[in-house]
Amino acid sequence: DSGVTQTPKHLITATGQRVTLRCSPRSGDLSVYWYQQSLDQGLQFLIQYYNGEERAKGNILERFSAQQFPDLHSELNLSSLELGDSALYFCASSVRTDMNTEAFFGQGTRLTVV
Amino acid sequence: AQTVTQSQPEMSVQEAETVTLSCTYDTSESDYYLFWYKQPPSRQMILVIRQEAYKQQNATENRFSVNFQKAAKSFSLKISDSQLGDAAMYFCAYRRSNAGNMLTFGGGTRLMVKP
Repeated sequence: DSGVTQTPKHLITATGQRVTLRCSPRSGDLSVYWYQQSLDQGLQFLIQYYNGEERAKGNILERFSAQQFPDLHSELNLSSLELGDSALYFCASSVRTDMNTEAFFGQGTRLTVV
Repeated sequence: AQTVTQSQPEMSVQEAETVTLSCTYDTSESDYYLFWYKQPPSRQMILVIRQEAYKQQNATENRFSVNFQKAAKSFSLKISDSQLGDAAMYFCAYRRSNAGNMLTFGGGTRLMVKP
C-alpha cells in the first residue's frame, strides 16, 4: 500500500457527463500529480499541484480541470466526457517537487465512458 | 520534447532465468533521472529501480539491475532469477532534473514468466 488513496476505484458514466475523481496523498506529502493511462496514449502526465497551487501542466484537455484543497487532497474534474476519455487515472504524491523525492502512486480510478 | 521508447511490447522468460527489458530515450538535457516501474494486474505503479544520470555506476536493487549507457541514451532492466511474481507490465520513465516528479513514460513491456 503506497499510502495514496484514490476514489472511486471504478466509474462508469455516459458521454457528455461530468465526473470528479478524488485523491488523498500520503500523509505529509505536499505535491500531487495526475496521470492518465489509456490504450491510445499510454501513460501521460496531466497536471501537478503543490501545496494548493498549480505547478505544472502536461497534456491536459481544456475539458479537464483539477484543484488541491487546503487539506491537500486533490480532485480531477472531467466534463463533457467522450468515449476516448475512458482510461485509468492515477494520482501520485511526493513530499516536495525536487528531483530527490520519490513519487508514490495510488491504485488509480478506472473510468469507462459509454 | 523528451521521448521514451520501449521496443519490446512483450517478453517471456522461464522461471529462475534472466531477462533484459530494453529502453531508449531522447533528451537534450545532461542531468536527469531514469526509472523502471512495475504495474502488476492490481494496477498499482511500483517503483522498481532508479538511476541518476550523473552517476556512472549502474543501479542495483536485489535481483533487479540496470545497464545505463548515457551516450547511447539506453537504459535496460535486467531481472535475474525471475519469479512468477515478476509477471507484470514494466514501464521505463524519464524525469528532468528540474521537473519535480513529472514523468515521461515509455509504452511498456508486458513480461510473462513461465513456470
